[in-house]
Amino acid sequence: QQQVKQSPQSLIVQKGGISIINCAYENTAFDYFPWYQQFPGKGPALLIAIRPDVSEKKEGRFTISFNKSAKQFSLHIMDSQPGDSATYFCAASMIQGAQKLVFGQGTRLTINP
Amino acid sequence: DGGITQSPKYLFRKEGQNVTLSCEQNLNHDAMYWYRQDPGQGLRLIYYSQIVNDFQKGDIAEGYSVSREKKESFPLTVTSAQKNPTAFYLCASSTSGRFGGELFFGEGSRLTVL
Repeated sequence: QQQVKQSPQSLIVQKGGISIINCAYENTAFDYFPWYQQFPGKGPALLIAIRPDVSEKKEGRFTISFNKSAKQFSLHIMDSQPGDSATYFCAASMIQGAQKLVFGQGTRLTINP
Repeated sequence: DGGITQSPKYLFRKEGQNVTLSCEQNLNHDAMYWYRQDPGQGLRLIYYSQIVNDFQKGDIAEGYSVSREKKESFPLTVTSAQKNPTAFYLCASSTSGRFGGELFFGEGSRLTVL
């Protein structure tokens, strides 16, 4: 019930292409869905986050799409650049009750020049 | 610069030895966390603390211990009871114990058991 399943485990995209990473959750009480970006040898950093009252949130080239009925959310990176090569983690939590953040398994993204 | 400092960055330990990982933050955050990162398994919560002198077990607390005597510091001890301690350990903090806020991570400590 507390799991967040992330796919794919690894992804290779050509420069300028669209990178898409998907996550699915089971607990319908989750109400906060962030994405974290991690470069090699560094700690993760918050990239973008969404609440379930909206279906999409865009920040620059990064967009979260959220499908509440399907219990799925995805990260889209438009015009992918080599500098986007990193590991991406989706996560979910319940703000009410301060339930802990549950992370997906991570996706290693490589953008080929 | 405000942030989270973890030390050491790399640590080698012989089997049967305890080791303590340091985590210091100057962000004035109330809550601090320890995560373990293994390939293909995401980030798993070991312990967290929402206030000084209080902490709670996460999902994989067995074989680990923590203390929170100061707001700025949250050290993690990996004991000899931890069966598979080789991993990348990440410390994080947030403004409150509510997980709906942003987590700020340190750069991690990589522990290798020889």
